[in-house]
Amino acid sequence: DQQVKQNSPSLSVQEGRISILNCDYTNSMFDYFLWYKKYPAEGPTFLISISSIKDKNEDGRFTVFLNKSAKHLSLHIVPSQPGDSAVYFCAASGWDSNYQLIWGAGTKLIIKP
Amino acid sequence: DVKVTQSSRYLVKRTGEKVFLECVQDMDHENMFWYRQDPGLGLRLIYFSYDVKMKEKGDIPEGYSVSREKKERFSLILESASTNQTSMYLCASRPDRAFAEAFFGQGTRLTVV
Repeated sequence: DQQVKQNSPSLSVQEGRISILNCDYTNSMFDYFLWYKKYPAEGPTFLISISSIKDKNEDGRFTVFLNKSAKHLSLHIVPSQPGDSAVYFCAASGWDSNYQLIWGAGTKLIIKP
Repeated sequence: DVKVTQSSRYLVKRTGEKVFLECVQDMDHENMFWYRQDPGLGLRLIYFSYDVKMKEKGDIPEGYSVSREKKERFSLILESASTNQTSMYLCASRPDRAFAEAFFGQGTRLTVV
């Protein structure tokens, strides 16, 4: 069963607007969440993370929101830029999985000029 | 800066060949991982290692083996390559603590013909 789900395979956003990428999880023991960005033919790079004691973490244009009751997190990119076009993966970990990272399937973000 | 280096960016091998993918990290991380990435399937864990000479099967270990003789090096072996092993292979390392990110290599695009 998929413990981390990214239900949108792709998302298209106008340059300069806000991009919102969503991620849902089923395991209530997850307490650490991460977002990665991946360009074609390259390895994923870490973007931002959040622990379950917080509901928001911000780093420049990137903000991650965590809603523990809904088991939902989202990544907001404001403003969206052409270089943001990539595949975005969310990942989660918790004590009951020995803090292994459990990955979503990814969302391809396309920024339109 | 943490560096994870994979030995090849692109490889083309013939069906039935034995294939070695090498990965080296320079940050003294305990944990190392091999994933494969296929469109729509996200990152699937093949094997991981939490210490020298230790290995654990991931979600899709069939057709693969691994070796970790030194802490900094983690090798993935395809015993007899098949066309369904054509994929992007990603190595990652991570320190052994709960709230930590994983660092990825640049990936190896393997084509089996």
